Amino acid sequence: AQKITQTQPGMFVQEKEAVTLDCTYDTSDQSYGLFWYKQPSSGEMIFLIYQGSYDEQNATEGRYSLNFQKARKSANLVISASQLGDSAMYFCAMREGREAGNNRKLIWGLGTSLAVNP
Amino acid sequence: NAGVTQTPKFQVLKTGQSMTLQCAQDMNHEYMSWYRQDPGMGLRLIHYSVGAGITDQGEVPNGYNVSRSTTEDFPLRLLSAAPSQTSVYFCASSLAGSSSGANVLTFGAGSRLTVL
Repeated sequence: AQKITQTQPGMFVQEKEAVTLDCTYDTSDQSYGLFWYKQPSSGEMIFLIYQGSYDEQNATEGRYSLNFQKARKSANLVISASQLGDSAMYFCAMREGREAGNNRKLIWGLGTSLAVNP
Repeated sequence: NAGVTQTPKFQVLKTGQSMTLQCAQDMNHEYMSWYRQDPGMGLRLIHYSVGAGITDQGEVPNGYNVSRSTTEDFPLRLLSAAPSQTSVYFCASSLAGSSSGANVLTFGAGSRLTVL
């Protein structure tokens, strides 16, 4: 069974509007971390935002926020005021277990392609 | 500050050839890793290292070899290339420790490999 599920293969949003990209996860660990990365057409992977399982507040980074609903095991990415440069693939990823001991192994979703229309 | 540098960016090999993908980082990161990215499969971990002299297998290690003789370098060797190894390869690194910033993987620009 997939541990990270991104159910939206493709999304469209109008410039300046907000968009939510879905991510659900499956883990039995109490300690874990959730990440979102952006991959533009140029191919590089760009870190956007991180949420630890014990963080009480939803993470925010500029126009990006993570809607973390622990009971539902969802970690949706919200992009406010979309820009043309936001057109890219977006990947959700999870680290199971604590980050101690250099645990950096991530499990990745298959991604959502976002197109921002002018 | 170069970050994570991967070379080459593109490579075409014939089946059975060997090659090395180079990865170097200048951020003094203890953790380094190699992923491959295939359509419909997402990113999959090949090998990783938590420090010089220490390496371990990831999810899809077969056909690949790694070594970590220095903190900065983490080359990925394809021993006998196969068409199934056609992919985009990413090297990624991060700090050790448990601060929130240490969690973040910094990626190289990727290396596109085609095996004919």
